[in-house]
Amino acid sequence: QKEVEQNSGPLSVPEGAIASLNCTYSDRGSQSFFWYRQYSGKSPELIMFIYSNGDKEDGRFTAQLNKASQYVSLLIRDSQPSDSATYLCAVPSYAGNNRKLIWGLGTSLAVNP
Amino acid sequence: ETGVTQTPRHLVMGMTNKKSLKCEQHLGHNAMYWYKQSAKKPLELMFVYSLEERVENNSVPSRFSPECPNSSHLFLHLHTLQPEDSALYLCASSQDGQMNTEAFFGQGTRLTVV
Repeated sequence: QKEVEQNSGPLSVPEGAIASLNCTYSDRGSQSFFWYRQYSGKSPELIMFIYSNGDKEDGRFTAQLNKASQYVSLLIRDSQPSDSATYLCAVPSYAGNNRKLIWGLGTSLAVNP
Repeated sequence: ETGVTQTPRHLVMGMTNKKSLKCEQHLGHNAMYWYKQSAKKPLELMFVYSLEERVENNSVPSRFSPECPNSSHLFLHLHTLQPEDSALYLCASSQDGQMNTEAFFGQGTRLTVV
């Protein structure tokens, strides 16, 4: 059973701090990794994806991928109250003959003013 | 209209009812998905359609019946549901069904089975 693990939180950080969210996955063959943000009562929306080992930066967001250790993390710099949401990690994985997205439970982030 | 639209947003149904959820995407995508989101559980993929052909049925009970008449529309027909089927049902679309591109989600249908 392919799995994606995330700490459910809640993770609480003060405004302006760096929020660090982690995700580990079990399928060594996975090649791409997605971070989605889901506000309460809303649907998930993509904020970052990463394919290569190392860091990928987009504004205040940085995704870090380490395939050898099978983890991918998301750093949010200068955290804002509007960043308060659940962050979902998703990893494509083969199940039988088809590829499917395996989702983590999500980490709840609260940014306190 | 843009993006992925789901109707209805909320649905309450009895265990003997028959209802349908509707999803429409205006993004020109070739793949559409039904997901179930329950509290304390990861998103569960239910069905995948690629170019109107079902390519994934993730061991979903037969009381859930999908229909994809064309690449822009997806339905989920519901009958004789159980209370444990109460959840948020999310439709999504992506450029293809290979899971390497962004999935765009609709706002979901909050289903309550009584």
